[in-house]
Amino acid sequence: DAKTTQPNSMESNEEEPVHLPCNHSTISGTDYIHWYRQLPSQGPEYVIHGLTSNVNNRMASLAIAEDRKSSTLILHRATLRDAAVYYCILRDQGPNAGNNRKLIWGLGTSLAVNP
Amino acid sequence: DGGITQSPKYLFRKEGQNVTLSCEQNLNHDAMYWYRQDPGQGLRLIYYSQIVNDFQKGDIAEGYSVSREKKESFPLTVTSAQKNPTAFYLCASSIGPASIEAFFGQGTRLTVV
Repeated sequence: DAKTTQPNSMESNEEEPVHLPCNHSTISGTDYIHWYRQLPSQGPEYVIHGLTSNVNNRMASLAIAEDRKSSTLILHRATLRDAAVYYCILRDQGPNAGNNRKLIWGLGTSLAVNP
Repeated sequence: DGGITQSPKYLFRKEGQNVTLSCEQNLNHDAMYWYRQDPGQGLRLIYYSQIVNDFQKGDIAEGYSVSREKKESFPLTVTSAQKNPTAFYLCASSIGPASIEAFFGQGTRLTVV
């Protein structure tokens, strides 16, 4: 299974942008990059996903390197409510993925936001 | 509002007892999942169901059982055979097994004493 590498923890100040990196050097052509976040004592929440092109939604932006071996989740203005563990996950979405479509969760990056 | 409901939020049981965790969704999703999360670890897949009356083992199914008799419901039983049952249990659903986005419940924290 493809794996991702993320820093254990990061810190940001409120109202500033945050760039959360993720390395996935063994990504395959049919792997989508998914980001979820988990607030304390809650279930994870979908943030964004992408394949090759950069993506934007109301929560965040996803910047994907041209070789797809790394990506960055961008929170444009961090708030205290953004303090969470952020998970970068590869998921095979190809037609032959079968049971390999499951999400494989790592340890994520614990983001602290300072007021 | 549509969503996934797990109950109860906290559950205490004595060692050797079976316990069933509830998961209900009103999103009309076909696929449902159970995960376990231990402190400082990522989520691990216990069981998943792609459609009613069908389910498959995940990566850590030993000591657990599930049923999927209704589309809306996917209860998880933690049996006495599970050697280390104390954990945070999360239920999720998606439109189908190939769907991009999974929706999670708020979790049940099970403590076995």
